[in-house]
Amino acid sequence: EDQVTQSPEALRLQEGESSSLNCSYTVSGLRGLFWYRQDPGKGPEFLFTLYSAGEEKEKERLKATLTKKESFLHITAPKPEDSATYLCAAQRSDSNYQLIWGAGTKLIIKP
Amino acid sequence: EAGVAQSPRYKIIEKRQSVAFWCNPISGHATLYWYQQILGQGPKLLIQFQNNGVVDDSQLPKDRFSAERLKGVDSTLKIQPAKLEDSAVYLCASSLDLIQPQHFGDGTRLSIL
Repeated sequence: EDQVTQSPEALRLQEGESSSLNCSYTVSGLRGLFWYRQDPGKGPEFLFTLYSAGEEKEKERLKATLTKKESFLHITAPKPEDSATYLCAAQRSDSNYQLIWGAGTKLIIKP
Repeated sequence: EAGVAQSPRYKIIEKRQSVAFWCNPISGHATLYWYQQILGQGPKLLIQFQNNGVVDDSQLPKDRFSAERLKGVDSTLKIQPAKLEDSAVYLCASSLDLIQPQHFGDGTRLSIL
């Protein structure tokens, strides 16, 4: 069965303390791996798509990487405004390209 | 470009009542999605449209939920009658086509009393 698991569920960091969020996936026929950011009371905001193992993408303090079994979202020297829930989703290459979503990691950056 | 518009932002109803949500996707986006998101979980796909045709509605509780996409643009999602377990945020998303990234509205928070 297709499944996406994110860890940890929640992560509290001090401002400037770098860390990584994990997204493990079991999907038959992966087309792409998506990362989204969701602020309270808002819809998910698209960040990155990764398509092949070894691929990396960066945006400000965020860098996403992909292997054959998992993806990491590295956050370097985070600021309080990076606090949000980060969601990952695996896109199947069949079944109408639907996204299989993880439950998210709630990231809290303390000043 | 204007984002995905949803209304209302909040809705409180009693169980067994009916409710409708409206979504206006990003201009030119052919694919439209309705999701249900319960606190602490990822979005759950309810229905997916390509233009004005249904691509997938396998997870839509069809005995109480219905959705339509008028002229391949705006869409409405209806619940009738509502149950307590329908309390959630209902998110609308759109994408250029089936494979492009989805862009979300801010959702409607539904509370059932």
